[in-house]
Amino acid sequence: DAKTTQPNSMESNEEEPVHLPCNHSTISGTDYIHWYRQLPSQGPEYVIHGLTSNVNNRMASLAIAEDRKSSTLILHRATLRDAAVYYCILRDGHYGGSQGNLIFGKGTKLSVKP
Amino acid sequence: GAGVSQSPSNKVTEKGKDVELRCDPISGHTALYWYRQSLGQGLEFLIYFQGNSAPDKSGLPSDRFSAERTGGSVSTLTIQRTQQEDSAVYLCASSKVGSKVEKLFFGSGTQLSVL
Repeated sequence: DAKTTQPNSMESNEEEPVHLPCNHSTISGTDYIHWYRQLPSQGPEYVIHGLTSNVNNRMASLAIAEDRKSSTLILHRATLRDAAVYYCILRDGHYGGSQGNLIFGKGTKLSVKP
Repeated sequence: GAGVSQSPSNKVTEKGKDVELRCDPISGHTALYWYRQSLGQGLEFLIYFQGNSAPDKSGLPSDRFSAERTGGSVSTLTIQRTQQEDSAVYLCASSKVGSKVEKLFFGSGTQLSVL
């Protein structure tokens, strides 16, 4: 799986939008972009994924650059409960089924100030 | 429905003792992962099970670590002769195989402290 690069940390104010960037310049045509987050003292949880088009769900939005070499996770209104480590991960979708080890980098630690 | 369940949630042991950590995956999930996370660090892959295939043990740090998955469901991670550097949170995850986009569901982990 190709490598991703994220800032180590970011800060946000409560109720303001947050844009978490991820660079993946070596992404292949079949790589899906996944985001997970890890709240304090919990296991990671799935947030969102996308391939080429921007995606929205109840948790967040994912904006994918036209060349797919970068993406941005958008939290529209940050809450204190959104304070977590956010991981951007690429997974090859060429093969159906499970693909083994999901590699987590260091992610971005998001702090939310009241 | 129930999520991934791990037990115990906390385990304190003495150096040199053996420990067993249990993971109950979500029903119907055929893929199961073990990771560990040392304090302030990222997730380190340990082992992966998928159906009846041979497990991917490439992440196990030493031969003191082993894992098995009985009946394609519950998994046990065993650490023999524990060392202080084994202290970490051990996380289990499961996923449902069958689509191009595989989502992992994690348990809350077992905090292992080796004194």
